[in-house]
Formats: sequence, C-alpha cells, structure tokens
Amino acid sequence: DAKTTQPTSMDCAEGRAANLPCNHSTISGNEYVYWYRQIHSQGPQYIIHGLKNNETNEMASLIITEDRKSSTLILPHATLRDTAVYYCIGTSGGGADGLTFGKGTHLIIQP
Amino acid sequence: GAGVSQSPSNKVTEKGKDVELRCDPISGHTALYWYRQSLGQGLEFLIYFQGNSAPDKSGLPSDRFSAERTGGSVSTLTIQRTQQEDSAVYLCASSLSIRGLVSNYGYTFGSGTRLTVV
Repeated sequence: DAKTTQPTSMDCAEGRAANLPCNHSTISGNEYVYWYRQIHSQGPQYIIHGLKNNETNEMASLIITEDRKSSTLILPHATLRDTAVYYCIGTSGGGADGLTFGKGTHLIIQP
Repeated sequence: GAGVSQSPSNKVTEKGKDVELRCDPISGHTALYWYRQSLGQGLEFLIYFQGNSAPDKSGLPSDRFSAERTGGSVSTLTIQRTQQEDSAVYLCASSLSIRGLVSNYGYTFGSGTRLTVV
C-alpha cells in the first residue's frame, strides 16, 4: 500500500463542512484512495474510494488532485456523530496483506 | 446476516488459557481478514483468507496464534497460552474480491472481540 500522511487531529464546528486532507505523493497508477473511519469502540467503517475522478456518495465527497498526490475527504454537514478517527489508505486492492491503516486523523466535531 | 458478526463481543481469560474468537463474514464474501488493535493504537494485520487458497499468515505475531476458515465462510482465530500482551480488540473484515479488482464496497468490519488477559 502507498504511504499516506494525515494530520493527527482536527476540529470542526457542528453543521459546517469538515475537510480532511491526505497526502499520498508516492501512490502508484493502479492504487485507489480509500477512506475509512472508526468511531470509538467500533470496527472501521468504509466511507468512500476513488482512483482519479472525484467521487460522491451519501456519506461524503472525495476530491483527488489531478496529479493524484493528495486528496481531501469532505463531510458536507458534520454532526457530533461524525467524531471519529479517519483513515486514508492507498491500495491496489484486497491483497494478501490487507489494508494498511496508519494513525489517521482524529476529527472532533464541536457543538 | 447483513453484516460481519463476531463473537464473543468481550472475553476475559486467565493468562495461559487458550481462547477462540469467531467471525461470521457477509455471505458471498470470498476474502476474510483478521486484525488486532491494541488500546490507542492502529490496526495490525494478522491473517488473510481468499477463497480456498492457503491463507497468508505473515502477520501472525507468534506460533501461539492460528486461524482457520471452514467451508469458505466462518473463521476462528485461536490464541494458545494467552499472555497479557495479547489483550486487544480483534477485528474481522470481509470483502468481495474479484481477481485483483478493488471491491466497490471496500471491506466490511465486524464490531470486534475485546480480549482481556488477566
């Protein structure tokens, strides 16, 4: 899996958009960018993934730069329940060593 | 069921005893992973099953750890002669794995088994 770099923690006000950056400057052409989050005491939850194009689903949007060296996960209207650790992962798929989860970003939504 | 089911949700065991942790993946998911998460730490990959192929055990921390997957479905992770450092949350995940293509839905994780060795 590609090496990714994320800020350790971020705060965001409830109701505002939360923008979580991720650096993956060494990502290779066949590696996707995946985002997961882990709410306290639960297993990680899949959010979204993309290769080159921006993606949007019911949970979030993913903006990938044209050179694919970085991306931003956007939670459009953050709620208190979005407080979690968010993991950005670059991977070519469900390989033998699974997904490599780094330290992630601890997002704290403030009321 | 609709999700990945793990049991028990909590297990307290005495040092030196053996434990078995169970994972019931989503029906039809051919790939199954076990991870371990110690308190305040990231996820540590343990083992991977893909269909009927031999599992990748490269992440298992010692020979006290073993896992099997019967009939391509349910998996059990066994820890023999447990030690205090084995205390962690053990997470199981499953995914569709289509010949190297990335699953459109990523991995689905269970809620984990919290193991405490006293």
